Amino acid sequence: QKEVEQNSGPLSVPEGAIASLNCTYSDRGSQSFFWYRQYSGKSPELIMSIYSNGDKEDGRFTAQLNKASQYVSLLIRDSQPSDSATYLCAVIAGGTSYGKLTFGQGTILTVHP
Amino acid sequence: DARVTQTPRHKVTEMGQEVTMRCQPILGHNTVFWYRQTMMQGLELLAYFRNRAPLDDSGMPKDRFSAEMPDATLATLKIQPSEPRDSAVYFCASGTPPGQGYYEQYFGPGTRLTVT
Repeated sequence: QKEVEQNSGPLSVPEGAIASLNCTYSDRGSQSFFWYRQYSGKSPELIMSIYSNGDKEDGRFTAQLNKASQYVSLLIRDSQPSDSATYLCAVIAGGTSYGKLTFGQGTILTVHP
Repeated sequence: DARVTQTPRHKVTEMGQEVTMRCQPILGHNTVFWYRQTMMQGLELLAYFRNRAPLDDSGMPKDRFSAEMPDATLATLKIQPSEPRDSAVYFCASGTPPGQGYYEQYFGPGTRLTVT
């Protein structure tokens, strides 16, 4: 079992819809969770971080964390073609020092006009 | 606008040559990470440092790769000798210091390496 798992997609949504990206992790002791966006040919860009159960909203983005289910998700409201990218889920596992991240393989999102 | 910088952005070299990649972390960040990204393997952690001391380099091929932090503003990744299978994008990332209750990592633009 991979430590961090994501559906590789591609996930295709129409412009204006809600895109829902999901991630599960295996280490129950994990404490910190992140979503990165990576455009083709570019570096990963941190877009959301979440540390406690529940929802965290930032503009059109909402991160949701459920530690009991070992599940973290990212919702993108009013999706735009410019949101088309690969979204990487990353986790700091329990007992890991100094912010070492474990990444999922990424979900490719395509928003079509 | 604080950013991680990396040089060179692109490097094409022949098999057997030495390659050196450089990274300047964000001022005040005390952890530095080196990653490699390929289509097949995704993002792989090669090595990381805290306060310039290497913490873990188990992701690196030891016989040809080396990573150092000569000072707080410079991290280097060297490959000697380079091989075609080293062709990838190499990212440097720096992280917020511990003690703030959270860690966040920010990536540089990457070095795209092609070994022929």
